[in-house]
Amino acid sequence: GENVEQHPSTLSVQEGDSAVIKCTYSDSASNYFPWYKQELGKRPQLIIDIRSNVGEKKDQRIAVTLNKTAKHFSLHITETQPEDSAVYFCASISSGSARQLTFGSGTQLTVLP
Amino acid sequence: GAGVSQSPSNKVTEKGKDVELRCDPISGHTALYWYRQSLGQGLEFLIYFQGNSAPDKSGLPSDRFSAERTGGSVSTLTIQRTQQEDSAVYLCASSPTGLGVGYTFGSGTRLTVV
Repeated sequence: GENVEQHPSTLSVQEGDSAVIKCTYSDSASNYFPWYKQELGKRPQLIIDIRSNVGEKKDQRIAVTLNKTAKHFSLHITETQPEDSAVYFCASISSGSARQLTFGSGTQLTVLP
Repeated sequence: GAGVSQSPSNKVTEKGKDVELRCDPISGHTALYWYRQSLGQGLEFLIYFQGNSAPDKSGLPSDRFSAERTGGSVSTLTIQRTQQEDSAVYLCASSPTGLGVGYTFGSGTRLTVV
Protein backbone atom coordinates (compact mmCIF):
# COMPACT_ATOMS: atom_id res chain seq x y z
CA GLY A 1 0.00 0.00 0.00
CA GLU A 2 0.88 3.67 -0.04
CA ASN A 3 3.60 4.94 2.28
CA VAL A 4 4.00 8.65 2.99
CA GLU A 5 7.07 10.00 4.74
CA GLN A 6 7.19 13.54 6.10
CA HIS A 7 10.14 15.68 7.20
CA PRO A 8 11.05 17.35 9.42
CA SER A 9 9.10 16.19 12.47
CA THR A 10 9.66 19.54 14.16
CA LEU A 11 10.47 22.94 12.69
CA SER A 12 11.06 26.25 14.41
CA VAL A 13 11.29 29.50 12.45
CA GLN A 14 11.38 33.17 13.31
CA GLU A 15 8.29 35.18 12.55
CA GLY A 16 8.47 36.48 9.01
CA ASP A 17 10.74 33.69 7.77
CA SER A 18 9.65 30.91 5.43
CA ALA A 19 8.91 27.32 6.38
CA VAL A 20 9.17 24.28 4.13
CA ILE A 21 7.82 20.81 4.88
CA LYS A 22 8.54 17.90 2.56
CA CYS A 23 6.79 14.62 1.89
CA THR A 24 7.56 11.63 -0.27
CA TYR A 25 5.13 8.95 -1.40
CA SER A 26 5.58 5.47 -2.71
CA ASP A 27 2.62 4.76 -5.02
CA SER A 28 3.21 6.17 -8.49
CA ALA A 29 -0.56 6.01 -9.07
CA SER A 30 -1.20 8.59 -6.35
CA ASN A 31 -2.94 11.61 -7.84
CA TYR A 32 -4.20 13.84 -5.05
CA PHE A 33 -2.12 15.47 -2.32
CA PRO A 34 -3.78 17.55 0.41
CA TRP A 35 -2.20 19.31 3.38
CA TYR A 36 -3.93 19.58 6.73
CA LYS A 37 -3.27 21.92 9.66
CA GLN A 38 -4.08 20.75 13.16
CA GLU A 39 -3.99 23.23 16.01
CA LEU A 40 -3.61 21.89 19.52
CA GLY A 41 -6.71 20.02 20.60
CA LYS A 42 -8.56 20.73 17.38
CA ARG A 43 -9.52 18.80 14.28
CA PRO A 44 -7.30 18.64 11.20
CA GLN A 45 -8.38 21.18 8.60
CA LEU A 46 -7.57 21.23 4.91
CA ILE A 47 -5.41 24.21 3.98
CA ILE A 48 -4.37 23.44 0.42
CA ASP A 49 -4.32 20.55 -2.02
CA ILE A 50 -2.81 19.70 -5.39
CA ARG A 51 -3.60 17.20 -8.09
CA SER A 52 -1.11 15.24 -10.13
CA ASN A 53 -1.70 17.23 -13.29
CA VAL A 54 -0.45 20.41 -11.63
CA GLY A 55 3.10 21.23 -10.55
CA GLU A 56 2.45 24.11 -8.18
CA LYS A 57 -0.47 25.79 -6.48
CA LYS A 58 -0.55 28.97 -4.38
CA ASP A 59 -3.03 30.42 -1.96
CA GLN A 60 -1.81 33.69 -0.42
CA ARG A 61 1.13 32.79 1.85
CA ILE A 62 0.83 29.06 1.27
CA ALA A 63 2.07 27.11 -1.72
CA VAL A 64 2.43 23.45 -2.57
CA THR A 65 4.76 21.97 -5.19
CA LEU A 66 4.63 18.50 -6.67
CA ASN A 67 7.37 16.53 -8.42
CA LYS A 68 5.75 13.41 -9.81
CA THR A 69 8.96 12.01 -11.22
CA ALA A 70 10.66 12.09 -7.83
CA LYS A 71 7.40 11.32 -5.99
CA HIS A 72 7.65 14.17 -3.57
CA PHE A 73 5.63 17.24 -2.69
CA SER A 74 6.28 20.17 -0.40
CA LEU A 75 4.41 22.81 1.57
CA HIS A 76 5.83 26.31 1.60
CA ILE A 77 4.65 28.96 4.04
CA THR A 78 6.03 32.45 3.53
CA GLU A 79 6.03 35.41 5.94
CA THR A 80 5.20 33.08 8.82
CA GLN A 81 3.09 34.36 11.70
CA PRO A 82 2.63 32.99 15.24
CA GLU A 83 -0.82 31.73 14.30
CA ASP A 84 0.82 29.43 11.76
CA SER A 85 2.11 27.40 14.70
CA ALA A 86 0.45 23.97 14.49
CA VAL A 87 1.02 20.41 13.34
CA TYR A 88 0.92 20.03 9.57
CA PHE A 89 0.11 16.72 7.88
CA CYS A 90 0.62 15.81 4.26
CA ALA A 91 -1.45 13.06 2.67
CA SER A 92 -1.94 11.27 -0.59
CA ILE A 93 -4.49 9.08 -2.28
CA SER A 94 -3.99 6.61 -5.05
CA SER A 95 -6.11 6.23 -8.14
CA GLY A 96 -5.78 2.50 -7.53
CA SER A 97 -7.84 0.38 -5.23
CA ALA A 98 -7.22 2.15 -1.92
CA ARG A 99 -9.76 4.89 -1.44
CA GLN A 100 -8.59 6.49 1.77
CA LEU A 101 -5.99 9.16 2.40
CA THR A 102 -2.65 7.99 3.74
CA PHE A 103 -1.12 10.60 6.06
CA GLY A 104 2.41 11.54 6.86
CA SER A 105 3.55 11.52 10.47
CA GLY A 106 3.18 15.27 10.89
CA THR A 107 5.42 18.31 11.40
CA GLN A 108 5.18 20.46 14.50
CA LEU A 109 5.79 24.01 13.26
CA THR A 110 6.60 26.66 15.83
CA VAL A 111 6.80 30.29 14.75
CA LEU A 112 8.81 32.28 17.26
CA PRO A 113 7.74 35.92 17.74
CA GLY B 1 -25.67 18.88 9.45
CA ALA B 2 -23.19 21.68 9.03
CA GLY B 3 -20.20 19.58 9.97
CA VAL B 4 -19.09 16.15 11.11
CA SER B 5 -20.30 15.49 14.64
CA GLN B 6 -18.70 13.03 16.99
CA SER B 7 -19.81 11.91 20.40
CA PRO B 8 -18.82 11.70 23.10
CA SER B 9 -16.02 14.27 22.96
CA ASN B 10 -14.29 12.55 25.86
CA LYS B 11 -14.62 9.05 27.21
CA VAL B 12 -12.86 7.50 30.17
CA THR B 13 -13.35 3.78 30.56
CA GLU B 14 -11.96 0.99 32.62
CA LYS B 15 -9.72 -1.60 31.01
CA GLY B 16 -11.79 -4.51 29.76
CA LYS B 17 -14.98 -2.52 29.19
CA ASP B 18 -16.58 -2.04 25.76
CA VAL B 19 -17.02 1.44 24.29
CA GLU B 20 -19.03 2.87 21.40
CA LEU B 21 -18.02 5.99 19.55
CA ARG B 22 -20.45 7.76 17.27
CA CYS B 23 -19.96 9.75 14.08
CA ASP B 24 -22.62 11.74 12.26
CA PRO B 25 -21.23 12.76 8.85
CA ILE B 26 -22.14 15.74 6.72
CA SER B 27 -25.49 15.18 5.08
CA GLY B 28 -25.08 13.80 1.57
CA HIS B 29 -21.49 12.67 2.03
CA THR B 30 -21.27 9.10 0.78
CA ALA B 31 -17.86 8.27 2.22
CA LEU B 32 -17.02 7.96 5.92
CA TYR B 33 -13.64 7.23 7.46
CA TRP B 34 -12.36 6.44 10.93
CA TYR B 35 -8.80 7.30 11.95
CA ARG B 36 -6.93 6.96 15.21
CA GLN B 37 -4.44 9.54 16.47
CA SER B 38 -2.27 8.59 19.39
CA LEU B 39 -0.62 11.34 21.43
CA GLY B 40 1.83 13.25 19.26
CA GLN B 41 1.41 10.82 16.40
CA GLY B 42 -0.02 10.86 12.91
CA LEU B 43 -3.38 9.66 11.69
CA GLU B 44 -3.74 5.89 11.48
CA PHE B 45 -6.45 4.66 9.08
CA LEU B 46 -8.95 2.26 10.63
CA ILE B 47 -11.96 1.72 8.36
CA TYR B 48 -13.71 3.24 5.34
CA PHE B 49 -17.36 3.14 4.27
CA GLN B 50 -18.50 4.11 0.77
CA GLY B 51 -22.20 4.08 0.01
CA ASN B 52 -23.61 0.58 0.12
CA SER B 53 -20.32 -1.12 -0.67
CA ALA B 54 -18.63 -3.49 1.74
CA PRO B 55 -16.42 -1.47 4.09
CA ASP B 56 -12.64 -1.47 3.83
CA LYS B 57 -11.60 -2.82 7.23
CA SER B 58 -7.94 -3.20 6.38
CA GLY B 59 -6.79 -0.75 9.04
CA LEU B 60 -8.53 -2.24 12.06
CA PRO B 61 -5.76 -3.22 14.49
CA SER B 62 -7.49 -6.25 16.01
CA ASP B 63 -10.77 -8.15 16.09
CA ARG B 64 -11.73 -6.14 19.18
CA PHE B 65 -12.45 -3.26 16.81
CA SER B 66 -15.57 -3.14 14.65
CA ALA B 67 -17.67 -0.49 12.99
CA GLU B 68 -20.96 -0.19 11.27
CA ARG B 69 -22.74 2.46 9.30
CA THR B 70 -26.51 2.36 9.38
CA GLY B 71 -28.60 3.72 6.54
CA GLY B 72 -25.55 5.16 4.85
CA SER B 73 -25.32 7.88 7.48
CA VAL B 74 -24.37 7.55 11.15
CA SER B 75 -21.46 5.29 12.02
CA THR B 76 -20.53 3.61 15.28
CA LEU B 77 -17.03 2.40 16.11
CA THR B 78 -17.04 -0.25 18.82
CA ILE B 79 -14.01 -1.32 20.80
CA GLN B 80 -14.49 -4.42 22.89
CA ARG B 81 -12.47 -5.33 25.97
CA THR B 82 -10.57 -2.06 25.86
CA GLN B 83 -6.85 -2.03 26.57
CA GLN B 84 -4.63 0.86 27.69
CA GLU B 85 -3.01 1.00 24.26
CA ASP B 86 -6.41 1.86 22.80
CA SER B 87 -6.14 5.29 24.45
CA ALA B 88 -6.10 7.83 21.64
CA VAL B 89 -8.21 10.38 19.81
CA TYR B 90 -10.56 8.71 17.36
CA LEU B 91 -11.30 10.95 14.40
CA CYS B 92 -14.11 10.52 11.92
CA ALA B 93 -14.14 12.18 8.50
CA SER B 94 -16.58 12.27 5.64
CA SER B 95 -16.25 13.25 2.02
CA PRO B 96 -18.73 13.75 -0.80
CA THR B 97 -17.36 11.23 -3.24
CA GLY B 98 -15.02 8.78 -1.59
CA LEU B 99 -12.13 9.88 -3.77
CA GLY B 100 -10.24 11.47 -0.89
CA VAL B 101 -11.21 14.96 -1.95
CA GLY B 102 -13.02 17.19 0.48
CA TYR B 103 -12.32 15.25 3.66
CA THR B 104 -13.96 17.03 6.59
CA PHE B 105 -12.95 15.84 10.03
CA GLY B 106 -14.98 15.78 13.19
CA SER B 107 -13.56 17.06 16.46
CA GLY B 108 -12.79 13.55 17.59
CA THR B 109 -13.42 11.45 20.67
CA ARG B 110 -10.61 11.37 23.19
CA LEU B 111 -10.64 7.87 24.66
CA THR B 112 -8.75 7.17 27.86
CA VAL B 113 -8.54 3.61 29.14
CA VAL B 114 -7.58 3.41 32.79
